[in-house]
Amino acid sequence: QKEVEQNSGPLSVPEGAIASLNCTYSDRGSQSFFWYRQYSGKSPELIMSIYSNGDKEDGRFTAQLNKASQYVSLLIRDSQPSDSATYLCAVRLFGNEKLTFGTGTRLTIIP
Amino acid sequence: GAGVSQSPSNKVTEKGKDVELRCDPISGHTALYWYRQSLGQGLEFLIYFQGNSAPDKSGLPSDRFSAERTGGSVSTLTIQRTQQEDSAVYLCASSWDSLTDTQYFGPGTRLTVL
Repeated sequence: QKEVEQNSGPLSVPEGAIASLNCTYSDRGSQSFFWYRQYSGKSPELIMSIYSNGDKEDGRFTAQLNKASQYVSLLIRDSQPSDSATYLCAVRLFGNEKLTFGTGTRLTIIP
Repeated sequence: GAGVSQSPSNKVTEKGKDVELRCDPISGHTALYWYRQSLGQGLEFLIYFQGNSAPDKSGLPSDRFSAERTGGSVSTLTIQRTQQEDSAVYLCASSWDSLTDTQYFGPGTRLTVL
């Protein structure tokens, strides 16, 4: 079992709709959770971090964390073509500096 | 510069040659990380520096890989006797310190081993 799992996609969502991206992790010692956006040929860019169970909202983005079920999700409201990218889920274990990444979900917003 | 910089942006080499990849972190960032991203794969952790020391080298795939950091700033990742499976994008990231979660990534070096 991979430490961090994501559906590779591609996930196609109409413009203006809600895009829902999911990620599961295997290590219950995971403490910090991150969503990175990576445009083709570019480096990853942090868009959300979440540490506690529940929802965290930032503009059109909402991260959701459920530690009991070991999943973290990212919702993108009012999806725009510029949101088309690969979204990487990353987790960090308590006391461990490195990030463990999933393979990413490729999201395409259809105008 | 304002962000993490890496050089070269692209490197094509022949199998068996040695290569050096450079990372210049954001000024003041004491923590520096190297990751590797192969086609269709997620980012794979290689090594982490806090200052000039490397507390975690667990991700280095073989003894052909080594890294150093001098002056608490620039880091060099060296791959000796390159193999075709070393072909990947090598990404460097930095953060204020090891307790700071936000890692800022550089543009990466695309390594192609022929």
